[in-house]
Amino acid sequence: EAQVTQNPRYLITVTGKKLTVTCSQNMNHEYMSWYRQDPGLGLRQIYYSMNVEVTDKGDVPEGYKVSRKEKRNFPLILESPSPNQTSLYFCASRDAYNEQFFGPGTRLTVL
Amino acid sequence: GQQLNQSPQSMFIQEGEDVSMNCTSSSIFNTWLWYKQDPGEGPVLLIALYKAGELTSNGRLTAQFGITRKDSFLNISASIPSDVGIYFCAGQEIKAAGNKLTFGGGTRVLVKP
Repeated sequence: EAQVTQNPRYLITVTGKKLTVTCSQNMNHEYMSWYRQDPGLGLRQIYYSMNVEVTDKGDVPEGYKVSRKEKRNFPLILESPSPNQTSLYFCASRDAYNEQFFGPGTRLTVL
Repeated sequence: GQQLNQSPQSMFIQEGEDVSMNCTSSSIFNTWLWYKQDPGEGPVLLIALYKAGELTSNGRLTAQFGITRKDSFLNISASIPSDVGIYFCAGQEIKAAGNKLTFGGGTRVLVKP
């Protein structure tokens, strides 16, 4: 089944404790993105990647890092999480027709 | 960056009613997309619009790409309980670094008590 998977689905952590949210897609898509969703703000793009080893900042990149060492994986790294990064995070990958497929989401709480 | 104003923010529906929501932008987009998000899941694409003035249907859903390329609307006809969810519009720009999606704030569709 074609899909985007994220782990973990839920995470509660404390300020400053480094964490990684993994994202994997099995559709051989070149383009992948990370978004955060906050009430009333829709989805805002954090980082995106056009291909392996090619990443760029989205609209809200501060406090986040990404890497794209393999085509299928696009992890999101929070080196020193803060409470304002409490949010719902979505990974997405895009096909040749520009349809984005979203993962199921990761709900992160930073205390 | 780009901003999309989506309205209404929320609405109550009664089964059988038609509902409508829209998005406006301060800038031009090349493509307009409408997504639906069910609780606990990621957004799923409903309709994609690629040309100014285009009117596209997908079952009971109809969406239009505004002539000015700065707006779009989505209509749901004869709503049913499973239409409940959050609907997002998104505008897509073609940039040198790749196509960029900007999302509206969402319209939360709820069932009238």
